[in-house]
Amino acid sequence: NAGVMQNPRHLVRRRGQEARLRCSPMKGHSHVYWYRQLPEEGLKFMVYLQKENIIDESGMPKERFSAEFPKEGPSILRIQQVVRGDSAAYFCASSPPIGGTDTQYFGPGTRLTVL
Amino acid sequence: AQSVTQLDSHVSVSEGTPVLLRCNYSSSYSPSLFWYVQHPNKGLQLLLKYTSAATLVKGINGFEAEFKKSETSFHLTKPSAHMSDAAEYFCVVSALRGGGKLIFGQGTELSVKP
Repeated sequence: NAGVMQNPRHLVRRRGQEARLRCSPMKGHSHVYWYRQLPEEGLKFMVYLQKENIIDESGMPKERFSAEFPKEGPSILRIQQVVRGDSAAYFCASSPPIGGTDTQYFGPGTRLTVL
Repeated sequence: AQSVTQLDSHVSVSEGTPVLLRCNYSSSYSPSLFWYVQHPNKGLQLLLKYTSAATLVKGINGFEAEFKKSETSFHLTKPSAHMSDAAEYFCVVSALRGGGKLIFGQGTELSVKP
């Protein structure tokens, strides 16, 4: 059973460009979470999604950031018009649909560098 | 609101000696608590999880943690450190009962000296 997959592992963007980060949850998992880790800090929750639904986006910046988890395909975290402060590691996690939904399994992360 | 505080930002031990990483939590209900480990430039790996079934939780790689409600603590221990244990360790609490977002501590960097 493959783990949570994220791609790309490393992403370099210039200021003003768009960044798209992808996350494929573990097989059988229907809950996806995105977290951001700024340098020298712990992980901060961004958004919690189920298939075609955003359940909790309380950690998402109000502008430029969006997330989706379509019926088919991976979850996407999209950052428009990136700025240097967006440079961070972005981690995706998934959990199963029934029971134990607070146990989350993390992917390897996407390290975004904004030049 | 739920929160966790990791009391040490950095811990250094010698190989073969015990490891103690300290974590205090704050929760309005009996929480789900976790310890995750992150090796450099890697993702996070679940070490262990507490969900009220037993106060002493055994995890992978010889780690264990004890839930102490009276002290609101969930310290992580290992009897004998190995060089491969050098990593960042995060104490984590579930924000909501039964699921939802996780709240992370600031992390403790563990160094292991030969």
